[in-house]
Amino acid sequence: EVQLVESGGGLVQPGGSLRLSCSASGFTFSSYAMHWVRQAPGKGLEYVSAIISNGGSTYYTDSVKGRFTISRDNSKNTLYLQMSSLRAEDTAVYYCVKSQRVSAFDIWGQGTMVTVSS
Amino acid sequence: DIQMTQSPSAMSASVGDRVTITCRASQDISNYLAWFQQKPGKVPKRLIYAASSLQSGVPSRFSGGGSGTEFTLTISSLQPEDFATYYCLQHNSYPFTFGPGTKVDIK
Repeated sequence: EVQLVESGGGLVQPGGSLRLSCSASGFTFSSYAMHWVRQAPGKGLEYVSAIISNGGSTYYTDSVKGRFTISRDNSKNTLYLQMSSLRAEDTAVYYCVKSQRVSAFDIWGQGTMVTVSS
Repeated sequence: DIQMTQSPSAMSASVGDRVTITCRASQDISNYLAWFQQKPGKVPKRLIYAASSLQSGVPSRFSGGGSGTEFTLTISSLQPEDFATYYCLQHNSYPFTFGPGTKVDIK
């Protein structure tokens, strides 16, 4: 079964850091681009970041550039999102998502909640 | 970055109604457009990919169309389980972008 399982969410103070992980199984992880998408409480979906299959290129939405870093370890079938200088507006459920060029975003994880509050 | 708009932002409809949601891109995205359905507290579910290809297991009352900058999601006969929020996503160029969503509720 193709599966993505996020972990690492929690409560963090403004200005703090957190690292999210996404463990993949059931498919050849190293063949796919991977993404992070977030959803603030009561709000819509927001695209956060992407990393290509070999980790050679990364992309970020403007609001997280310079604060978030996406990475992957293909030997461990794991995707990461290192988040620093966290703000209240980063409070959201964070989803990792599998994708390919034509068949985009077919598999989503269950999400992990990040709350930035003092 | 490519901006995505959706219309309407919300709508009330009855079971059996034909519903059409429109998504527009700020520049040509070819057919790199997907549609998702999300119910409260649930993970988004892909309905349509490549603008018009139906995801396996999704009822045939859902269909997608369009290319370039204008796209549609049509539900031919709305069912009780279809009341949800619908999002489009462009995946033509990074950073990818979602539309703001269309909430479909019961009239």
